[in-house]
Amino acid sequence: SQQGEEDPQALSIQEGENATMNCSYKTSINNLQWYRQNSGRGLVHLILIRSNEREKHSGRLRVTLDTSKKSSSLLITASRAADTASYFCATDSRTGGFKTIFGAGTRLFVKA
Amino acid sequence: ETGVTQTPRHLVMGMTNKKSLKCEQHLGHNAMYWYKQSAKKPLELMFVYSLEERVENNSVPSRFSPECPNSSHLFLHLHTLQPEDSALYLCASSQEPLGLSTYNSPLHFGNGTRLTVT
Repeated sequence: SQQGEEDPQALSIQEGENATMNCSYKTSINNLQWYRQNSGRGLVHLILIRSNEREKHSGRLRVTLDTSKKSSSLLITASRAADTASYFCATDSRTGGFKTIFGAGTRLFVKA
Repeated sequence: ETGVTQTPRHLVMGMTNKKSLKCEQHLGHNAMYWYKQSAKKPLELMFVYSLEERVENNSVPSRFSPECPNSSHLFLHLHTLQPEDSALYLCASSQEPLGLSTYNSPLHFGNGTRLTVT
């Protein structure tokens, strides 16, 4: 069953602009992860944020987590055409064990 | 490369065929996964193996049969598939803490097998 839902479903921006993607989830989590998927390829892990963390940075990526609102955001600063991809949030599921469950993703298109 | 290799990259099969998807991980991980990715749908977890034992079978039809002969290899045997089974099948691996039944460490994915059932 789907745990996380990304918003928006699709996002188109100009190179150099910032891109913000949001993720909402339904139940309590241990951690939340963000992944990127280029067309026709596998997913690549970007960042993991634990439930007791509020913000995490990795290069041009900034992830926030608000457990009271059950939401997370991924900010990509100074976007590049190479950032064009689908981005997924993933959370653990407390149904029948702890496994990584993915949302439907946000498709980001960065125009050069 | 990701450290997880899937073969073949593309597969076209008829509904009466039998085929197998192969996954090999070179990362020394102790857990392996099969996910199904269909167009405009979230990734669906199919199977989880930990130390070669199946720990999750997510209500997957019996026409999909997984096999994990060792911690580095994972197969998905396919038979009598339906057109709606056409999808990208992704294999992943992770290193999970031993002694715990949680599987939340970062996943390392292969590039998938694009399956078309005709």
